[in-house]
Amino acid sequence: GAGVSQSPSNKVTEKGKDVELRCDPISGHTALYWYRQSLGQGLEFLIYFQGNSAPDKSGLPSDRFSAERTGGSVSTLTIQRTQQEDSAVYLCASSLAGSLGEKLFFGSGTQLSVL
Amino acid sequence: AQSVTQPDIHITVSEGASLELRCNYSYGATPYLFWYVQSPGQGLQLLLKYFSGDTLVQGIKGFEAEFKRSQSSFNLRKPSVHWSDAAEYFCAVGPNTDKLIFGTGTRLQVFP
Repeated sequence: GAGVSQSPSNKVTEKGKDVELRCDPISGHTALYWYRQSLGQGLEFLIYFQGNSAPDKSGLPSDRFSAERTGGSVSTLTIQRTQQEDSAVYLCASSLAGSLGEKLFFGSGTQLSVL
Repeated sequence: AQSVTQPDIHITVSEGASLELRCNYSYGATPYLFWYVQSPGQGLQLLLKYFSGDTLVQGIKGFEAEFKRSQSSFNLRKPSVHWSDAAEYFCAVGPNTDKLIFGTGTRLQVFP
């Protein structure tokens, strides 16, 4: 596709369940980012992948959160044992090379609701 | 530590009126500053960015922003707002596009 694609667009889960969120970046983009947007909050950085380098996981809020990127393309963000405070919109973005000043292209996000 | 403050949570203007959205930042070095817009049902889109040079930067959709180092501000402006500008606007600061620090956003409502 032409843009960053995220799925599902909405996910409702029960507290304690695991969830997986998927991101398909723009073809050819080597940099991929995950952000979280909570109600009344700004966008919170979670994790950053750049090519074959080790990901920058400094924004992951707890060890229940993990992400991987297979083949340098699709990324999956996994939240284990979900809690109600995990409810948020999870945004994925990609850029061509992750270099200075590059434009980020954002997906429409996954709205996660933990009941 | 880096931080971004958008003091206005919600702003309402009439169509055709001028607009200024405030953004203040805290950053130890020369900042790289961005404004993104999030329209309903759409992903965030870059409006404009500042790295160096002319402190008044032009962006898409008729927006501009001015970097004022003395005030640690990067306010977004538009001389005449259109109804389609209704959206949420985010200011961001960073040394690079990774780990951009975003503000909490300003929701713009436009009345006809």
